[in-house]
Amino acid sequence: NAGVMQNPRHLVRRRGQEARLRCSPMKGHSHVYWYRQLPEEGLKFMVYLQKENIIDESGMPKERFSAEFPKEGPSILRIQQVVRGDSAAYFCASSPSLSETQYFGPGTRLLVL
Amino acid sequence: TQLLEQSPQFLSIQEGENLTVYCNSSSVFSSLQWYRQEPGEGPVLLVTVVTGGEVKKLKRLTFQFGDARKDSSLHITAAQPGDTGLYLCAGAEGNTGFQKLVFGTGTRLLVSP
Repeated sequence: NAGVMQNPRHLVRRRGQEARLRCSPMKGHSHVYWYRQLPEEGLKFMVYLQKENIIDESGMPKERFSAEFPKEGPSILRIQQVVRGDSAAYFCASSPSLSETQYFGPGTRLLVL
Repeated sequence: TQLLEQSPQFLSIQEGENLTVYCNSSSVFSSLQWYRQEPGEGPVLLVTVVTGGEVKKLKRLTFQFGDARKDSSLHITAAQPGDTGLYLCAGAEGNTGFQKLVFGTGTRLLVSP
């Protein structure tokens, strides 16, 4: 059973470009979570999604950031018009149900030049 | 948002020594998890503690959840170089069943041969 997969593992963007980060949850998992880890800081919750629904986006910046988890395909975290402060490691986690353990992917490291 | 503080932030020890990492908060969590994160990878779950006063052992690692469910400790006996990594505690906040994890600041452990 493959673990949580994220791609790309590394992403370089120039200021003003768009970044798309993909997350494929573990097989059988319908709950996806996104976290951000800024340099020298802990992981911070961003958003929690179930298939086709955003359940909690209290940790998402109000502008430029959006997330989706379509019926088919991976979950996508989209950052529009990236700025240098968006440089961070973005981790996706998945769980089989609401209150069960979250399993983390290897992360996408975004660098904004 | 609840905060979790870990201490120490950095720990450098020799192989065979014992160590304890602390995770403290002023708030109560429904459960608390410990993760280890290797460079360039996502956090890997070590243990989940749920009941106040609970003690769990995983080989040379002993985890304890405080009676009031506000703090936790991780004790490693006879540390080995393979224990080197970033140790993160994470509390589950919210009482709706949704495991919104609040991560601690992390303890970076280096075990030298």
